[in-house]
Amino acid sequence: DSGVTQTPKHLITATGQRVTLRCSPRSGDLSVYWYQQSLDQGLQFLIQYYNGEERAKGNILERFSAQQFPDLHSELNLSSLELGDSALYFCASSVDTAGDTQYFGPGTRLTVL
Amino acid sequence: GENVEQHPSTLSVQEGDSAVIKCTYSDSASNYFPWYKQELGKGPQLIIDIRSNVGEKKDQRIAVTLNKTAKHFSLHITETQPEDSAVYFCAAKRDDYKLSFGAGTTVTVRA
Repeated sequence: DSGVTQTPKHLITATGQRVTLRCSPRSGDLSVYWYQQSLDQGLQFLIQYYNGEERAKGNILERFSAQQFPDLHSELNLSSLELGDSALYFCASSVDTAGDTQYFGPGTRLTVL
Repeated sequence: GENVEQHPSTLSVQEGDSAVIKCTYSDSASNYFPWYKQELGKGPQLIIDIRSNVGEKKDQRIAVTLNKTAKHFSLHITETQPEDSAVYFCAAKRDDYKLSFGAGTTVTVRA
């Protein structure tokens, strides 16, 4: 158990819908990272937050957004969902902004029908 | 940006034998190289990492070597056991940049 929690574990929705994925980092970790894992793209970095502020952006679509709250939990919002958004979404956390040692959560499996 | 290539994509070994996975990276400024193990239905788990000021690091049955000149690093698993069966990912990053992952190696340990 990495100490990073994610909810829900599974999510099934329809195209065009909007969903919210939630992540709680390990105790003491200030950085949260979101990744997308699909069969053809591997593990892709989406976005990083550090202590409530956006720190770095990766291959995140404009339809996706995230935020980190004062209690350090983070939410990833996916809107106008398409079939191609079906994937595993992982959250990771690290103690600082450098992001070297990252601990991953169990993931949320999103299926868009 | 950083590009990490990982080989082989699949690896089947007999229980007790060794397994070796190799990765190359493109950015000479990369200085941190972690390895993750992902079991079915779970998130990636950090198993070992190495920094650019170290050439080799060992933790029980796993070891990682780094060749900065050639820009490649490898994961060695000795005395493989069935519980070593999983997908292994290498990654590389430099200061304040994102982790760039390899495509993964599916390791199967045959009993």
